Amino acid sequence: AQSVTQPDIHITVSEGASLELRCNYSYGATPYLFWYVQSPGQGLQLLLKYFSGDTLVQGIKGFEAEFKRSQSSFNLRKPSVHWSDAAEYFCAVGAAGTASKLTFGTGTRLQVTL
Amino acid sequence: GAGVSQTPSNKVTEKGKYVELRCDPISGHTALYWYRQSLGQGPEFLIYFQGTGAADDSGLPNDRFFAVRPEGSVSTLKIQRTERGDSAVYLCASSPRGSGGPDTQYFGPGTRLTVL
Repeated sequence: AQSVTQPDIHITVSEGASLELRCNYSYGATPYLFWYVQSPGQGLQLLLKYFSGDTLVQGIKGFEAEFKRSQSSFNLRKPSVHWSDAAEYFCAVGAAGTASKLTFGTGTRLQVTL
Repeated sequence: GAGVSQTPSNKVTEKGKYVELRCDPISGHTALYWYRQSLGQGPEFLIYFQGTGAADDSGLPNDRFFAVRPEGSVSTLKIQRTERGDSAVYLCASSPRGSGGPDTQYFGPGTRLTVL
């Protein structure tokens, strides 16, 4: 069975500082990996995804993530955080070869101080 | 174009009552998914439709939960004899293909269900 671990429940960074949110997955084959962002009262918005190919993927709002098979990780990064980035971030894994359920981590809440 | 829509946005009901939650997917999307998000948790999969049929309902917690998609577009999640533990945000998502390779799920804003 697939699983996702987001070790950091809550992270606080200063505006303009860099950000890295950790995600580790467990899956027996090549996974499909996603990062979603959820603002209060909003639905999940897709930031970026990895299906295959280049292991460094670019997303919206200046985010990027790197797939590292050897570490079973898919960490999300941003070089300079903006106050509007404060939200809940979810990493998710889907089974390769089919498109069915996503398994989500428990999320990381990002707080940005001015 | 229009995204995934869900109605109602909020639903308050009493323990033991029946509720229906509606999802309107993105036009033309073949696959539709329901998830449940409890407070402080990530979304948990409930059921997935490919067209009109339920391709995977392994996430439904018990037989009080049922979902339909009779015409392959709009879906309704039905919960009978609601319990306080059913209180959560119910999220719907749709994706273009739903099979044959990687696909991206697009989520609606959710329905917040509160069972008193």
